[in-house]
Amino acid sequence: AQRVTQPEKLLSVFKGAPVELKCNYSYSGSPELFWYVQYSRQRLQLLLRHISRESIKGFTADLNKGETSFHLKKPFAQEEDSAMYYCALSRFQDFQKLVFGTGTRLLVSP
Amino acid sequence: DAGVTQSPTHLIKTRGQQVTLRCSPKSGHDTVSWYQQALGQGPQFIFQYYEEEERQRGNFPDRFSGHQFPNYSSELNVNALLLGDSALYLCASSFRDRDQPQHFGDGTRLSIL
Repeated sequence: AQRVTQPEKLLSVFKGAPVELKCNYSYSGSPELFWYVQYSRQRLQLLLRHISRESIKGFTADLNKGETSFHLKKPFAQEEDSAMYYCALSRFQDFQKLVFGTGTRLLVSP
Repeated sequence: DAGVTQSPTHLIKTRGQQVTLRCSPKSGHDTVSWYQQALGQGPQFIFQYYEEEERQRGNFPDRFSGHQFPNYSSELNVNALLLGDSALYLCASSFRDRDQPQHFGDGTRLSIL
């Protein structure tokens, strides 16, 4: 079975500091990996997906199949980045059936 | 477009009762997925509906059932409620094209007493 692990429940950084939210997965095939974000009082929304290989709001994530990781990074955190972040995985054959991690709360202080 | 809408927002039930939650997908979307999110956990996939049929199912008992209507809206039914069914139930809609992202609703908070 697929599994997504986010080891940190809370990550607290100062504005301007680099951020790395960790995500590890277990799946023997070729997964699709996603990062979802939930800002305060807002809905869960897609931040980025590995196949797009794009940067959204300054965030990037690289799929490392050797380490089975998909860490989310941003070089300079902003206060508006404070939110709950979820890493999620989907098997190619399971159309949009997402397996989520338990989430990491990012708190960016001024 | 209001996006994905779910009703009701909150619901309180007692053990053994039955509940129906409703979801209207975002305009243009034809696929609806349901997730259960317990406190402090990530969402867990319950099932997915497409063309009025259950296309995929997660690891949930048969007490959890659903339906999709011709207008693509969907219902989630849970029978014989248990205390452990207390959770936030999220609906997500998408278009059948896998390159299109899922859009989530605000959820229904279900509390079992």
